[in-house]
Amino acid sequence: EVQLVESGGGLVQPGGSLRLSCAASGFTFSSFWMTWVRQAPGKGLEWVANIDRDGNEKNYVDSVKGRFTISRDNAKNSLYLQMNGLRAEDTAVYYCGRAPYGSGSQYYMGVWGKGTTVTVSS
Amino acid sequence: DIVMTQSPDSLAVSLGERATINCKSSQSVLYSPNNKNYLAWYQQKPGQPPKLLIYWASTRESGVPDRFSGSGSGTDFTLTISSVQAEDVAVYYCHQYLSLPDTFGQGTKLQIK
Repeated sequence: EVQLVESGGGLVQPGGSLRLSCAASGFTFSSFWMTWVRQAPGKGLEWVANIDRDGNEKNYVDSVKGRFTISRDNAKNSLYLQMNGLRAEDTAVYYCGRAPYGSGSQYYMGVWGKGTTVTVSS
Repeated sequence: DIVMTQSPDSLAVSLGERATINCKSSQSVLYSPNNKNYLAWYQQKPGQPPKLLIYWASTRESGVPDRFSGSGSGTDFTLTISSVQAEDVAVYYCHQYLSLPDTFGQGTKLQIK
């Protein structure tokens, strides 16, 4: 079964750091682009970042550039999001999503994890 | 960034009736070299992640009931549920993936009348 499981969320003070993980199973992780999408409480979806199959190409939404870093470890079938300098407006459920097989940098997400919650508050 | 605007923000439909949700992009999401619209639709139920319904504006994802259909091109798109069922109560989002950063519509909440 194709599955994505996020972890690493929690309560952090403004200015703090967290590292989110997304464990992939049921498919050849190294063959797919991956994405992080977030959803603030009661709000809509916001694309955060994506990464290519090899981890060489990374793209970010402007609001997280310089603060967040997306990465992956294909040997561990895992995707990561290192979040530094956290702000209250980063409070959200963070989902990882998978591209379709064979896609380039432009893709819809056909597989989603259940999400992990990040709360930034003092 | 491409701005995606959905209408209405919410709608209430009787069981068995048709529901129509619109999505308008601030720039065309039609890529001329392959004549594909880089537009997807998702359904999100409370406490759940989004679920892909439609991609390339009109291709239904495997396993999605055929009462769901997508149409449109360029900047104007529509998600239609031909006969709304109780399990269709959810928030629906459009998503453009032509131009980074990807962007989503604000969501349309579907309720039963």
